[in-house]
Amino acid sequence: DAGVIQSPRHEVTEMGQEVTLRCKPISGHNSLFWYRQTMMRGLELLIYFNNNVPIDDSGMPEDRFSAKMPNASFSTLKIQPSEPRDSAVYFCASSLMTGELFFGEGSRLTVL
Amino acid sequence: SQQGEEDPQALSIQEGENATMNCSYKTSINNLQWYRQNSGRGLVHLILIRSNEREKHSGRLRVTLDTSKKSSSLLITASRAADTASYFCAILYGQNFVFGPGTRLSVLP
Repeated sequence: DAGVIQSPRHEVTEMGQEVTLRCKPISGHNSLFWYRQTMMRGLELLIYFNNNVPIDDSGMPEDRFSAKMPNASFSTLKIQPSEPRDSAVYFCASSLMTGELFFGEGSRLTVL
Repeated sequence: SQQGEEDPQALSIQEGENATMNCSYKTSINNLQWYRQNSGRGLVHLILIRSNEREKHSGRLRVTLDTSKKSSSLLITASRAADTASYFCAILYGQNFVFGPGTRLSVLP
């Protein structure tokens, strides 16, 4: 298995632009998590899905952030409009039930 | 906060020495996991210990869990330069994994 695949690996954009981050979880995993990592706040859970259904989005910072999981093999995290304080590394992780998490390599976002 | 708290925040040791990192948490847990993150990479799962277990081993890793003290420790024996990374404990609350701020380990050759 190729593991969790995230794209893009790096994104540099200007304030106000829309950003879409993508994730392909490991086949057969039924839980998907989006985390954000910064030096100041560490790893923060943004949202997680079980069987493609959003279970807890209380970590989503504000309405500018949205996440979807249209099917078991794809998820997106969208920021519109982006702001400099959104600069961070965004990780997607998948798991089978409540077992270990498998992380992607992350998407490093820089908003100028 | 449900977050686990690792200590120390940073640890620097010589190759061959043992490294011990601790994690404390505040509420009852289902299981506790340890992860490693190399610079610029995603997190990698190291070991999972359930709330009814007290100790687990995996290669050079030894994890203990003391539910009465709400704490866990990760011991890396005979450390190598390749062990240089950040180490995180993750607490499972329901279906949600909550990570601590991590311990940055530097193993000097």
